[in-house]
Amino acid sequence: TQLLEQSPQFLSIQEGENLTVYCNSSSVFSSLQWYRQEPGEGPVLLVTVVTGGEVKKLKRLTFQFGDARKDSSLHITAAQPGDTGLYLCAGGRSNYKLTFGKGTLLTVNP
Amino acid sequence: DVKVTQSSRYLVKRTGEKVFLECVQDMDHENMFWYRQDPGLGLRLIYFSYDVKMKEKGDIPEGYSVSREKKERFSLILESASTNQTSMYLCASSWGDRGDGNQPQHFGDGTRLSIL
Repeated sequence: TQLLEQSPQFLSIQEGENLTVYCNSSSVFSSLQWYRQEPGEGPVLLVTVVTGGEVKKLKRLTFQFGDARKDSSLHITAAQPGDTGLYLCAGGRSNYKLTFGKGTLLTVNP
Repeated sequence: DVKVTQSSRYLVKRTGEKVFLECVQDMDHENMFWYRQDPGLGLRLIYFSYDVKMKEKGDIPEGYSVSREKKERFSLILESASTNQTSMYLCASSWGDRGDGNQPQHFGDGTRLSIL
C-alpha cells in the first residue's frame, strides 16, 4: 500500500508569516495533487505536479515535486487568514485513484 | 463549473438500518468515487466506479456496497449501519482517459452521517 505522510499535522501562525507543509512517501507517484478543504466543504484542487523537480506557483503558494517523485512541499509566503484550511496532498495511483495524506490543518491568526 | 451534489448534508440513522447516500455530478465524468473522512485518518477510498454498472473496491469496502445505474449518479449503501460507520462521507468525480492519467477529482460538500 502506498502511503503519504504529511507534516506538520497542525500549524497555527500569525498573519504575514511564511510556512512550509511537507508530503513524503517511500513510493513513487505518477503525479502529486494538492487540495484545500474549508470547513463544511469538500476538498478543492489547488495544483497538480507531474514531473520530478517541477515547481509551480499560485500567487503566494509555491508547490514543488521532488526529483524522485516521492515527495512534495507547499510553501506559503506572507500567510493571510483566508489561507486557513485543511491542506491535503494526494498521489496518483492506477486507474485514476488517489492516495491522500492525512492533511495539515492550518490556522492563520489576524 | 463542475458540480457534484450530495443529497444530504447531515443524516442521523439507527444501528441496523439500511442507509443510502446519493451523489450526482453534472460534468459527464466517467469516474466516480466514495470516500470517508475521519479525524487523524484522512480520506480513505471506499469504492470507485469507472463506468456505468462498473465498480471496484477501494481500501475499506467492508460493510458498504455501491450502485451506478446511470453515468451521473453514484450511490453508497450501508447494508446494516453500525456505529463505527459514523463519519463524513465525500463523493468525487473525475474524467476518464484524456491522454493524461492525472485528472483532478471534484468533490461534493460531504454528508455527515451519525449512526446511533
